[in-house]
Amino acid sequence: GAVVSQHPSWVICKSGTSVKIECRSLDFQATTMFWYRQFPKQSLMLMATSNEGSKATYEQGVEKDKFLINHASLTLSTLTVTSAHPEDSSFYICSALLLISTDTQYFGPGTRLTVL
Amino acid sequence: GEDVEQSLFLSVREGDSSVINCTYTDSSSTYLYWYKQEPGAGLQLLTYIFSNMDMKQDQRLTVLLNKKDKHLSLRIADTQTGDSAIYFCAVKGGISSGSARQLTFGSGTQLTVLP
Repeated sequence: GAVVSQHPSWVICKSGTSVKIECRSLDFQATTMFWYRQFPKQSLMLMATSNEGSKATYEQGVEKDKFLINHASLTLSTLTVTSAHPEDSSFYICSALLLISTDTQYFGPGTRLTVL
Repeated sequence: GEDVEQSLFLSVREGDSSVINCTYTDSSSTYLYWYKQEPGAGLQLLTYIFSNMDMKQDQRLTVLLNKKDKHLSLRIADTQTGDSAIYFCAVKGGISSGSARQLTFGSGTQLTVLP
């Protein structure tokens, strides 16, 4: 149980285009999902906390107009990178919070974004 | 806020035990996790420990928590080549973090298992 999927697994786009990444909890409902960014050989950096039915909470230094987050249902959160530029190229990972006693985060497989 | 540190690299021979260490700063942290990341993949939850526990064992994995020293370790017995990956220590936010549900990650330890 506790499977989280992401789509697409990788995407290559031209500079200036927008890219949408989906994060789904497949076998549980998640009122809270998290979006992380990971640079090569580095740790995960929390970008934002996504709560179903409300606005996302962004970490300091993360542009909310650049990284649009929508958590429209209990099993789906989306991250849209708007007007992507080469510096947005990164590995984006989502996690979904399973609300049992441990409040454990289960992670998706990640999406590799390359902006040309 | 919380600060979590790990050593960057560890090499062991196949069949030996691996011990990956992690230190953290927030004494009010509640849950502490170990995740495994293979190349190009997301994070796989390996195990976790609650802050009122000293030790937890799950098959080849043993987690030790020294709350006084704020030190967490993951021991992998009989390490195999398939265990080669990056291992992240993650600590659930305590009082000093902005959200009690957020995780603070260490930098990750690259484990290399030599034949």
